[in-house]
Amino acid sequence: EAGVVQSPRYKIIEKKQPVAFWCNPISGHNTLYWYRQNLGQGPELLIRYENEEAVDDSQLPKDRFSAERLKGVDSTLKIQPAELGDSAVYLCASSAAGVSYNEQFFGPGTRLTVL
Amino acid sequence: GQQVMQIPQYQHVQEGEDFTTYCNSSTTLSNIQWYKQRPGGHPVFLIQLVKSGEVKKQKRLTFQFGEAKKNSSLHITATQTTDVGTYFCAGPVYAGNNRKLIWGLGTSLAVNP
Repeated sequence: EAGVVQSPRYKIIEKKQPVAFWCNPISGHNTLYWYRQNLGQGPELLIRYENEEAVDDSQLPKDRFSAERLKGVDSTLKIQPAELGDSAVYLCASSAAGVSYNEQFFGPGTRLTVL
Repeated sequence: GQQVMQIPQYQHVQEGEDFTTYCNSSTTLSNIQWYKQRPGGHPVFLIQLVKSGEVKKQKRLTFQFGEAKKNSSLHITATQTTDVGTYFCAGPVYAGNNRKLIWGLGTSLAVNP
């Protein structure tokens, strides 16, 4: 069984440029999470989806960040425009149906560097 | 706000020594999860504890959930170089109408061969 797939793995952009990350969760997982992880810190939740509905986006900086999961499967996270402080690893995770915050399966992440 | 604290932040041991990391929450948790993240890797789920006072073992790893469900520990017996990485605890807490998973900052383990 394939795990959580993310692309790209690495991205280097200049500040003020837009960037997008893509995630394909494990087949059948209806809960999808986007996290940001800064160096030396734990993952910080940006947004959580139950199917196509964003049920928790309270920590998503909505002035520049947006996300979508139109068909309740794969998801895209976008930053526009990027700032220097956005440099981090962006992790996507998914979990099975039922109780949210069951075991989460993480993708390899996208390491973003904003110059 | 609600926090999950982990100590120590770093631990350096000789191979064969034991290692323990502690996780403390400011509020009661319904469950606690432990993840391991290897250097350059992504978090990998280790275990979930649900019951007060629960103890679970995975080979050399022993996980414990406190009686008050506010603290937890991970103990590794006779560390090996493969144990290197950062160990995170995470617990779901309520924030308004939302249930969030709050992560500790992690304990980074280095093992000298």
